Amino acid sequence: NAGVTQTPKFRVLKTGQSMTLLCAQDMNHEYMYWYRQDPGMGLRLIHYSVGEGTTAKGEVPDGYNVSRLKKQNFLLGLESAAPSQTSVYFCASSSETWDEQFFGPGTRLTVL
Amino acid sequence: ELKVEQNPLFLSMQEGKNYTIYCNYSTTSDRLYWYRQDPGKSLESLFVLLSNGAVKQEGRLMASLDTKARLSTLHITAAVHDLSATYFCAVGERGSQGNLIFGKGTKLSVKP
Repeated sequence: NAGVTQTPKFRVLKTGQSMTLLCAQDMNHEYMYWYRQDPGMGLRLIHYSVGEGTTAKGEVPDGYNVSRLKKQNFLLGLESAAPSQTSVYFCASSSETWDEQFFGPGTRLTVL
Repeated sequence: ELKVEQNPLFLSMQEGKNYTIYCNYSTTSDRLYWYRQDPGKSLESLFVLLSNGAVKQEGRLMASLDTKARLSTLHITAAVHDLSATYFCAVGERGSQGNLIFGKGTKLSVKP
């Protein structure tokens, strides 16, 4: 039982490049979330999903898109990366609305 | 708009001492979570508090929730070095579908 996994662990992009971060969970959870964590700040919610085929905006959605084509996977896309998107990205999942969220190991992204 | 404030942001303690971390939030909620993060690692769930007056304890840590005061506390008893980490509180945004608003975190350092 791997829990929540994220791919890749590290990535360096140039401004304007695109990429997709993959989050996978094997706990059959309905809810999945993408957060970003910047130095000295807590986590901020980017987008979330309450089930397969659904997505919704969180606190800081601009510059990101998401898709949840399969229940176990939640993808975060950056269409045209900007230096302001340099951050550590965490994916999380939960079984019910207010259950504890289980977090993945994170992806450290640098945009030059 | 829900805002979550933690204090202190930095805490240096001696082993064996007691201390309390405070988490204040600005709008009504009865969903509060505490997480621990070690440097360079993911977030680990510590406590889930889902009602006024909820108190939970695990080892040297005890968390409580007062929804009327919009305050949660994380009390550390007889600190040990292994408790050194960053502690985050997160508050459930009422009316949302599991969205959490995080505090900025309290970086705890326990010294011999």
